[in-house]
Amino acid sequence: EAQVTQNPRYLITVTGKKLTVTCSQNMNHEYMSWYRQDPGLGLRQIYYSMNVEVTDKGDVPEGYKVSRKEKRNFPLILESPSPNQTSLYFCASSLIGTGRSPLHFGNGTRLTVT
Amino acid sequence: AQKVTQAQTEISVVEKEDVTLDCVYETRDTTYYLFWYKQPPSGELVFLIRRNSFDEQNEISGRYSWNFQKSTSSFNFTITASQVVDSAVYFCALSEYIGSQGNLIFGKGTKLSVKP
Repeated sequence: EAQVTQNPRYLITVTGKKLTVTCSQNMNHEYMSWYRQDPGLGLRQIYYSMNVEVTDKGDVPEGYKVSRKEKRNFPLILESPSPNQTSLYFCASSLIGTGRSPLHFGNGTRLTVT
Repeated sequence: AQKVTQAQTEISVVEKEDVTLDCVYETRDTTYYLFWYKQPPSGELVFLIRRNSFDEQNEISGRYSWNFQKSTSSFNFTITASQVVDSAVYFCALSEYIGSQGNLIFGKGTKLSVKP
């Protein structure tokens, strides 16, 4: 089944403890992206990757890192999480960019930083 | 700069009513793409439709229809004879063609509640 898989679904952590949210897609998509969703703010892009070893900042990249060493994986790294990073995170992928093909989203990761 | 505005934060209707969700966008590109996504209470994001800026034909899919009007920069979504299962948050989104292929800009969403 074609899908974007994020893990974990739920994560509670403490301020400053490094964490990684994994994202994997099995559709051979070139493009992958991370979004965060907050009440009243909709979805905002954190980072995106047009292809392997090509990453770029979205609208809210501060406090996050990403890497794209393989086509299928695009992990999101929080080196020193803070409470303002408590949010619902979505990974997404598409065949080519964000216009010519729709984004396929993972099921989300709900992160709480205390 | 690109921007998507969904002025309706929340809408509540009774089952079988028709409802229209508004979406107004801003872009300086002549080539761009518009999308609607649905987020049901379970939380996943479901793709509904994609439209490019050169295709102004309205589209109908079952009870769903979309009205794209470049003259007013709007891409409105109508649900006919709404059902309880239509209850969700609906997002309109915009992707520019030139220079922003990596960024899909979302509106803040409209929460639709359909009551039985």
